[in-house]
Amino acid sequence: GAGVSQSPSNKVTEKGKDVELRCDPISGHTALYWYRQSLGQGLEFLIYFQGNSAPDKSGLPSDRFSAERTGGSVSTLTIQRTQQEDSAVYLCASSLFSGASTDTQYFGPGTRLTVL
Amino acid sequence: AQSVTQLDSHVSVSEGTPVLLRCNYSSSYSPSLFWYVQHPNKGLQLLLKYTSAATLVKGINGFEAEFKKSETSFHLTKPSAHMSDAAEYFCVVSDPFTAGNKLTFGGGTRVLVKP
Repeated sequence: GAGVSQSPSNKVTEKGKDVELRCDPISGHTALYWYRQSLGQGLEFLIYFQGNSAPDKSGLPSDRFSAERTGGSVSTLTIQRTQQEDSAVYLCASSLFSGASTDTQYFGPGTRLTVL
Repeated sequence: AQSVTQLDSHVSVSEGTPVLLRCNYSSSYSPSLFWYVQHPNKGLQLLLKYTSAATLVKGINGFEAEFKKSETSFHLTKPSAHMSDAAEYFCVVSDPFTAGNKLTFGGGTRVLVKP
């Protein structure tokens, strides 16, 4: 079946512009995660959605970052007033949610963001 | 708090020889542990996961890992490396008491396979 998809695959923007990154999770997966992979920081958690619960935003690095998930499916990560340090690969993952820490997260191919 | 340390940032092996990728974890509780692989310009793929059912876990492509609580380790091995194993490997921990099963990643080990 279809996996997690993300768009765009690459995004180049100028410093100070806003960007939106999109994630389509696997159908039926109720949990959705965003991670960031950068040279300096490795892979780090950003934000998590589960069903209709309030999202866990504890990993967002600043208030320039926000995300929403509409209809319990598609999610958009928005970065306002982008900075060069925002350059990274942004990964989305989804999982069925059983409440167990062994739930497997399935990752999309990522969006490579370059801020000039 | 949970953390993961991958002891080698780079590993170079010859094709057909064993591969060992070392991982140590720190967790307040009994963790869930994963190994993911990332091929160049590709997403992360799950190799295997430890679910407390068995300490020796077998994964895809001939990889396996052994959970050793006394050593807080979860090393990944493969008896015979193949050229297609060249990739970056991540050891990952999930704390069962952390809401949402947020994953904490190790720094990664890049594997080079020489012909």
